[in-house]
Amino acid sequence: DVKVTQSSRYLVKRTGEKVFLECVQDMDHENMFWYRQDPGLGLRLIYFSYDVKMKEKGDIPEGYSVSREKKERFSLILESASTNQTSMYLCASSLNRVGQPQHFGDGTRLSIL
Amino acid sequence: AQSVTQLGSHVSVSEGALVLLRCNYSSSVPPYLFWYVQYPNQGLQLLLKYTSAATLVKGINGFEAEFKKSETSFHLTKPSAHMSDAAEYFCAVRPFGGSNYKLTFGKGTLLTVNP
Repeated sequence: DVKVTQSSRYLVKRTGEKVFLECVQDMDHENMFWYRQDPGLGLRLIYFSYDVKMKEKGDIPEGYSVSREKKERFSLILESASTNQTSMYLCASSLNRVGQPQHFGDGTRLSIL
Repeated sequence: AQSVTQLGSHVSVSEGALVLLRCNYSSSVPPYLFWYVQYPNQGLQLLLKYTSAATLVKGINGFEAEFKKSETSFHLTKPSAHMSDAAEYFCAVRPFGGSNYKLTFGKGTLLTVNP
């Protein structure tokens, strides 16, 4: 089974802090994704990566950056956390082949105070 | 651009009743389609996927979905609801032939199962 592991289930940080969310997958997937999930808005793509050191902006990249130094690890960085970044963050990975689904981690519920 | 519409943000059924969750997509070419389920405080779990083979797709937990090109629909059904089916369900689409492997998700349908 595919395993996508997010480093924290719950995280509380303060406004202005630099926040790192980590995600690791164990299936040698080429693609990795970061989403945020908010009530009534569904899932919105923040960034995705299709290879090591490669990244593309999603629909809502403002206030975020990402890092992918190794194939199995994809980090989401909040450069200066703000209260409107309080949300559920979901990481996913997939093979770079037609028709392949994305596999999700359990999510990190982040609160910015 | 691809879009996905899930009709009904909240569906409530009785235990043992039919479950029908609706999903319509916009695309001139049949895309790849997926249904995911999310239990409280968990990530999304793949229920089933359509990749241009059989139009009736069977998934886990007794769910199935039928691809209807003429209606641009991919509705999710289960003959008999169980209490454990209470969760949020997401329909997602990936364009056929797309090069970036991104998925577009619907806004989700929350399923409540009443005893």
